[in-house]
Amino acid sequence: DQQVKQNSPSLSVQEGRISILNCDYTNSMFDYFLWYKKYPAEGPTFLISISSIKDKNEDGRFTVFLNKSAKHLSLHIVPSQPGDSAVYFCAASGGSGGSNYKLTFGKGTLLTVNP
Amino acid sequence: SAVISQKPSRDICQRGTSLTIQCQVDSQVTMMFWYRQQPGQSLTLIATANQGSEATYESGFVIDKFPISRPNLTFSTLTVSNMSPEDSSIYLCSVRSRATDTQYFGPGTRLTVL
Repeated sequence: DQQVKQNSPSLSVQEGRISILNCDYTNSMFDYFLWYKKYPAEGPTFLISISSIKDKNEDGRFTVFLNKSAKHLSLHIVPSQPGDSAVYFCAASGGSGGSNYKLTFGKGTLLTVNP
Repeated sequence: SAVISQKPSRDICQRGTSLTIQCQVDSQVTMMFWYRQQPGQSLTLIATANQGSEATYESGFVIDKFPISRPNLTFSTLTVSNMSPEDSSIYLCSVRSRATDTQYFGPGTRLTVL
């Protein structure tokens, strides 16, 4: 049972345009969500996170939106740059304390930004 | 964020042997984790490495197959024992930053078992 789903294995956009990466989750106990970027042969790099008490968090070109009723979140990258080309993972955790820090990941979306 | 290093970065091993992966952090951290990413799959948590006590394993992972050590707050090892080709994966160490409530990952160890 996949609790975090990224239904688009890949996405291709033009440089300067908006990239929108989507993520759905099924576990209503999840209350903290993160996005990671991963280049080949490197570990995942933390990008941005959002708590369930918010519906939007922004950091520079990256904005994450959370729709709790739909159990859906999205990452917007504006403007997209060729250096953004990587695999993007959505992750979720539930509650606070001890084992609730463990992250459940989606399978990732390969973003390609074309010059 | 913490700076995390892993050794080795990659290895090719024979079936039936064991490999120990090291994870070093540049600052003391309370929580360290080991993940696995099998080809084409998402990252899956293997266990939480606890300092001074036995690791806490997730469903489907056992200590005999993946023994973990955590001798202090900056270092941990994961051993992949009696390897088979199904163990071919990227193994990643991560730490939780209490200050940012975020997990940071090491560069990973790419393991191929023949």
